[in-house]
Amino acid sequence: DAGVTQSPTHLIKTRGQQVTLRCSPKSGHDTVSWYQQALGQGPQFIFQYYEEEERQRGNFPDRFSGHQFPNYSSELNVNALLLGDSALYLCASNLLGVGTDTQYFGPGTRLTVL
Amino acid sequence: ELKVEQNPLFLSMQEGKNYTIYCNYSTTSDRLYWYRQDPGKSLESLFVLLSNGAVKQEGRLMASLDTKARLSTLHITAAVHDLSATYFCAVDKGTGNQFYFGTGTSLTVIP
Repeated sequence: DAGVTQSPTHLIKTRGQQVTLRCSPKSGHDTVSWYQQALGQGPQFIFQYYEEEERQRGNFPDRFSGHQFPNYSSELNVNALLLGDSALYLCASNLLGVGTDTQYFGPGTRLTVL
Repeated sequence: ELKVEQNPLFLSMQEGKNYTIYCNYSTTSDRLYWYRQDPGKSLESLFVLLSNGAVKQEGRLMASLDTKARLSTLHITAAVHDLSATYFCAVDKGTGNQFYFGTGTSLTVIP
């Protein structure tokens, strides 16, 4: 049973550039959420995708956008990178409507903005 | 906005000792989750608590939920070095798996 996978593992970008991170959910899951975890902090919710639509969004600017594909995989795009965007980006998946279940997290993508 | 606070933020304890981590949250919710994170790693699910009075135990860890007090506890019994990690609680806003995480408790168990 494949868990949540993310790519790439690490990424180094410079300010102003754009980045795309990828996530494949756990087998059988249809909902993908993205979180940003700054060093020494708890994860912060960015947004959630279900049926290829953004279902919920946290307090992040429009520079952060996403997409979900028909196979439930997802991308997170960040434009005009700032130094403060350096963080671990975590993808989590679950089966919507199964309220008793937790979210399963991927290994994360470590983004460094120079 | 829903706020989740954990204390202590840092905990150093000797092997064999007991201790409790506290998680307080600011608005009504009956879904609380505990995760463990090792350095440089992702989050591992520990417990899912879905009702007032819920208690779950796994090995040396026991979690409980008091929704009226908006409080969850993670109790560690007879700590061992392998429990060294950062522990997060997360509260579901109620709209469907939009988790609000606490600040984390960094636990170090000293031999």
